[in-house]
Amino acid sequence: KAGVTQTPRYLIKTRGQQVTLSCSPISGHRSVSWYQQTPGQGLQFLFEYFSETQRNKGNFPGRFSGRQFSNSRSEMNVSTLELGDSALYLCASSWGQGLSTGELFFGEGSRLTVL
Amino acid sequence: AQRVTQPEKLLSVFKGAPVELKCNYSYSGSPELFWYVQYSRQRLQLLLRHISRESIKGFTADLNKGETSFHLKKPFAQEEDSAMYYCAPTYSGGGADGLTFGKGTHLIIQP
Repeated sequence: KAGVTQTPRYLIKTRGQQVTLSCSPISGHRSVSWYQQTPGQGLQFLFEYFSETQRNKGNFPGRFSGRQFSNSRSEMNVSTLELGDSALYLCASSWGQGLSTGELFFGEGSRLTVL
Repeated sequence: AQRVTQPEKLLSVFKGAPVELKCNYSYSGSPELFWYVQYSRQRLQLLLRHISRESIKGFTADLNKGETSFHLKKPFAQEEDSAMYYCAPTYSGGGADGLTFGKGTHLIIQP
């Protein structure tokens, strides 16, 4: 079956703009979580959605938001972009809620560059 | 707050030598622990989880509750083991700490 799909794969924005990233989970998976990956900080948890509800949230400012649709697809939005938001944004899906329920399946990521 | 520490950002060993990637956590409850791996140009993927007590690609990891550690070990490293490794303890209570990864260790196996 198809893996986790993230779009777009690459994008360039300027400071102050906003961006929306999309994630399509593996069919049947109801949980989607988002991570920011940078060389200095590694993987940092943004938020997790399960059945269209945000279940967990990491320590990021309110400029970072997300949502999940009834078909489990998820989007994350970053408003008022800052240079420090440049990163690889990873989406992961799993069948149940939370990391402890089992394996996370990751997408290839969306590489955001903020100029 | 719950934390996970991978003290080595970079670990370089020769092929055939033993490998140990360290992971220490500070969790108040009973965590479940995972190791994830990212090979060059591939997706991040699960390597192993402690409750399964299995060996994957020759790697094992033992949970030491007394030392709050979950080190990843392999007796004889192979070149294809070169990758980025992330330790991920999770707390059954959920919350933001329930989805935390370490900063990762870049393992390089030299021929």
